[in-house]
Amino acid sequence: EDKVVQSPLSLVVHEGDTVTLNCSYEVTNFRSLLWYKQEKKAPTFLFMLTSSGIEKKSGRLSSILDKKELFSILNITATQTGDSAVYLCAVLLGDSNYQLIWGAGTKLIIKP
Amino acid sequence: NAGVMQNPRHLVRRRGQEARLRCSPMKGHSHVYWYRQLPEEGLKFMVYLQKENIIDESGMPKERFSAEFPKEGPSILRIQQVVRGDSAAYFCASTPAWGGYNEQFFGPGTRLTVL
Repeated sequence: EDKVVQSPLSLVVHEGDTVTLNCSYEVTNFRSLLWYKQEKKAPTFLFMLTSSGIEKKSGRLSSILDKKELFSILNITATQTGDSAVYLCAVLLGDSNYQLIWGAGTKLIIKP
Repeated sequence: NAGVMQNPRHLVRRRGQEARLRCSPMKGHSHVYWYRQLPEEGLKFMVYLQKENIIDESGMPKERFSAEFPKEGPSILRIQQVVRGDSAAYFCASTPAWGGYNEQFFGPGTRLTVL
């Protein structure tokens, strides 16, 4: 069965800290891995990673994929209280343009 | 440009009642996806629809659940004779009708509580 596992399930840090969120996967037909941020509403897209070793960066957020070890990490540097959210990882399967297998998310709380 | 709209945002039903959840895709989008999110779990794909057509309903429970996306109006996810286990957040996402993978834009979800 295809599965995506995120760790830790929750994380509490102080403003200014750097955090690393993990996402590992076991799927039969991998195409891409996506990261979303979910606050108290709609998940919003952060990154899509398809190739190993190429870092994607957006401001204080960055992410990288390792297709050999089957995982991805999402880094957030100089965290701010506005980064508090659930971060979701999903894998897009290769035989469709839409089938996403989702992890349960990491709940990140940034304390001032 | 309004994003994906879902209503109601919160819905309370008693066991045995029907729940109707609505989703209006982003302007220009004609593909809609429904997901269910149980507490402490990831989103689970339910169904993929285009206008007047169900493309993939492999994630839909066989009974009591149905979905439609008419030519005019929003997409509807309908749950008949709700049970407590149906309590969850139901998210809708939409994409344009282009080839290849397209980023799915999500609505704010409908939180269904079954008493």
